[in-house]
Amino acid sequence: QKEVEQNSGPLSVPEGAIASLNCTYSDRGSQSFFWYRQYSGKSPELIMSIYSNGDKEDGRFTAQLNKASQYVSLLIRDSQPSDSATYLCAVNGGSWGKLQFGAGTQVVVTP
Amino acid sequence: DGGITQSPKYLFRKEGQNVTLSCEQNLNHDAMYWYRQDPGQGLRLIYYSQIVNDFQKGDIAEGYSVSREKKESFPLTVTSAQKNPTAFYLCASSMAGGAGTGELFFGEGSRLTVL
Repeated sequence: QKEVEQNSGPLSVPEGAIASLNCTYSDRGSQSFFWYRQYSGKSPELIMSIYSNGDKEDGRFTAQLNKASQYVSLLIRDSQPSDSATYLCAVNGGSWGKLQFGAGTQVVVTP
Repeated sequence: DGGITQSPKYLFRKEGQNVTLSCEQNLNHDAMYWYRQDPGQGLRLIYYSQIVNDFQKGDIAEGYSVSREKKESFPLTVTSAQKNPTAFYLCASSMAGGAGTGELFFGEGSRLTVL
């Protein structure tokens, strides 16, 4: 049973539009949540972290967390071709070192 | 510049051979990790270490071994007991303790292919 679920995509987004990525998790005790971006053939890089319910904005990125619904999302505003990548959702279930990753959602921004 | 260096980037191995992947960091992070990534799958944790001379098994430790003799270094050995070792291997580090343990910095990865 997967603990962190994401739609695999690809999610096709016109340039300038908003990309909306979703992630659900099974461990109700999870405390911290992360979004990583991974370009093809490259390693992941952290783009957002969120620890409490609500929204967190950083530039064109907004992370949204709803612990009651066990749901975390990432919005990318004004999508650019450089945003084309796979976005990995990661959840820390409270046990040290046990960060669980989803399989990722591939985003393709079309000019 | 601070970062994590993995080597080699590409490695080919014959069946039955052990190989060691190097991981060095100069971020002064206490915690280090090894993940494996297969196509279409998320990252799976192989081993992690909070402190020098101590490490813990992750979800898929069978067929792998590690050491942590120095804070900066966390090499991974893929042994012949690992039945399907072809994968992309990622080393990462983080501050130890608290929420920061989820904020990982990754190396560029090592792509291992078994011939």
